[in-house]
Amino acid sequence: QSVLTQPPSASGTPGQRVTISCSGTSSSIGSNTVNWYQHLPGTAPKLLIYRSNQRPSGVPDRFSGSKSGTSASLAISGLQSEDEADYYCAAWDDSVNGRVFGGGTKLTVL
Amino acid sequence: EVQLVESGGGLGQPGGSLRLSCAASGFTFSNYAMSWVRQAPGKGLEWVSLISGSGDSTFYADSVKGRFTISRDNSKSTLFLQMNSLRAEDTAVYYCAKEVLSGTYYGSGWWGQGSLVTVSS
Repeated sequence: QSVLTQPPSASGTPGQRVTISCSGTSSSIGSNTVNWYQHLPGTAPKLLIYRSNQRPSGVPDRFSGSKSGTSASLAISGLQSEDEADYYCAAWDDSVNGRVFGGGTKLTVL
Repeated sequence: EVQLVESGGGLGQPGGSLRLSCAASGFTFSNYAMSWVRQAPGKGLEWVSLISGSGDSTFYADSVKGRFTISRDNSKSTLFLQMNSLRAEDTAVYYCAKEVLSGTYYGSGWWGQGSLVTVSS
């Protein structure tokens, strides 16, 4: 069982805006920043968001992150077929003194 | 360009040992904390361990604490993961990853392609 809770699946049509939620605790998201990763099978995961809402260079501004209290979310606007992938949130958890991941959300572009 | 190349994976016996290496290039290795993250077949990503840039601080997931040891050789820009007392549930692709910003633990900004570890008799 993952420490951070994500919906197992999400879907949208091309051009649509979708959001993926990530729920944590006071010792994880409530006290630390959140990362979001995109993972395509057979490839290396890619960092989309760090420090809850910062994008690394090269990540399109269609991807945005936010955090409130013990929850965070990733929004993808202008959905494209190549966005079909698994998405993971992660955060440091002070109670275990380590990084924890969500269980992942499989995004399907219809 | 940042490159992270894992090696040392393969078949390990239950109760046995394996040592993973990650050769880094394209950045000042000693300035960045490094992590190991794994993905078991059909499962999600699981953080395994992190080491500070100097190597003075190390952190482990409960699932590997006491069995795995992370270390680094900054003179050779190489990260290691010594895996002892292997279990079937350690079977996974192991990724080496570099933190996004030097001197911080804000997230893994660059990942290697992964090394498959299979634990089976």
